[in-house]
Amino acid sequence: EAGVTQSPTHLIKTRGQQATLRCSPISGHTSVYWYQQALGLGLQFLLWYDEGEERNRGNFPPRFSGRQFPNYSSELNVNALELEDSALYLCASSLGNQPQHFGDGTRLSIL
Amino acid sequence: QKEVEQNSGPLSVPEGAIASLNCTYSDRVSQSFFWYRQYSGKSPELIMSIYSNGDKEDGRFTAQLNKASQYVSLLIRDSQPSDSATYLCAVIMNAGNMLTFGGGTRLMVKP
Repeated sequence: EAGVTQSPTHLIKTRGQQATLRCSPISGHTSVYWYQQALGLGLQFLLWYDEGEERNRGNFPPRFSGRQFPNYSSELNVNALELEDSALYLCASSLGNQPQHFGDGTRLSIL
Repeated sequence: QKEVEQNSGPLSVPEGAIASLNCTYSDRVSQSFFWYRQYSGKSPELIMSIYSNGDKEDGRFTAQLNKASQYVSLLIRDSQPSDSATYLCAVIMNAGNMLTFGGGTRLMVKP
């Protein structure tokens, strides 16, 4: 069974640009979660999607947004990129309140 | 006070010893607790989940939960150099399925 897949693996952008990160959940999982792991800040919750709806968002500015598609895949969009957005972005999926499983992440670097 | 706290380490143990990793959490109504292992440059991998007071064993790993003390721990028996990684404690704290992570404990198992 395929795990959570994320693309791209690496993404290099400059300040002010926009980034789109993609995630495909484990087959059968309906919930997708996005987390940011920035150096020195640990893993922080960004967004939770379930059945196509945004269920909750963490303490991040509105320029972080996303959506979930009918096939349960998801994308995370970050607008007006800032240097501090450089981080590993991790997607996780679960079925209901079962444990979350993580993808390999997208490393976003802002120059 | 952080919501989920872990000693950052490093915790150094000799090969074959028992490694004991600890975690405290602030939300008394938390119900779900997880341990993830993260190798350097990789994504978190689920090791254990625990939901009720007491011990839960899976191979060389034992998770222990004490809700009255708001304390969860992970014991690794017969530690191997391949166990050297950062161990993340994660808690589902309130309404919703989002994980709140501790800062992680770096474990070093010396041959």
